[in-house]
Amino acid sequence: DAKTTQPNSMESNEEEPVHLPCNHSTISGTDYIHWYRQLPSQGPEYVIHGLTSNVNNRMASLAIAEDRKSSTLILHRATLRDAAVYYCILRDVFGDRDDKIIFGKGTRLHILP
Amino acid sequence: DSGVTQTPKHLITATGQRVTLRCSPRSGDLSVYWYQQSLDQGLQFLIQYYNGEERAKGNILERFSAQQFPDLHSELNLSSLELGDSALYFCASSVGPGAIGAEAFFGQGTRLTVV
Repeated sequence: DAKTTQPNSMESNEEEPVHLPCNHSTISGTDYIHWYRQLPSQGPEYVIHGLTSNVNNRMASLAIAEDRKSSTLILHRATLRDAAVYYCILRDVFGDRDDKIIFGKGTRLHILP
Repeated sequence: DSGVTQTPKHLITATGQRVTLRCSPRSGDLSVYWYQQSLDQGLQFLIQYYNGEERAKGNILERFSAQQFPDLHSELNLSSLELGDSALYFCASSVGPGAIGAEAFFGQGTRLTVV
């Protein structure tokens, strides 16, 4: 399974931007970078994904390094509702090699009011 | 609401018993994934089905089994239950395998308590 490395926890102040890093030095050319988050007492929810270019959606932005060995999830203006565990996951583009969607330990994000 | 329905929401049963957890995927999704989440283990992938066939397997115990039916709903069967099987069980669905199918949508989970 392709591996990712994330900090165990991070803190941020409310209404400030948050940058959540992820290292994936063994990423292959067919791996997409996916981010999910899990709010307390809920199932995980999809946040964003990308392959090579930076991506934006209504929830967040994803910045991908040029060599693709790392990425950063950016929450532009954190709110208390963004307090969650954030998971960075690699998924093979066709799912032939590995379609298991393996969750690591993720980063627990604490938002300070 | 993710569109993935899991029933029941809560289940309390005794050791040695057998239970069945049910998952209805989002309309049009062909892939179903099952996960176990306990306090000390995080989200553990159990098994995946695609259009009725098993596609990927994780560290699923032999006492556990699953299947996906022709109408695409899935059931996870847990037998000879032990205290350690107490956990949240999540089901997820996606359009198809791999990242081409993009995101997976998760249900709210079934909380199983074995006493």
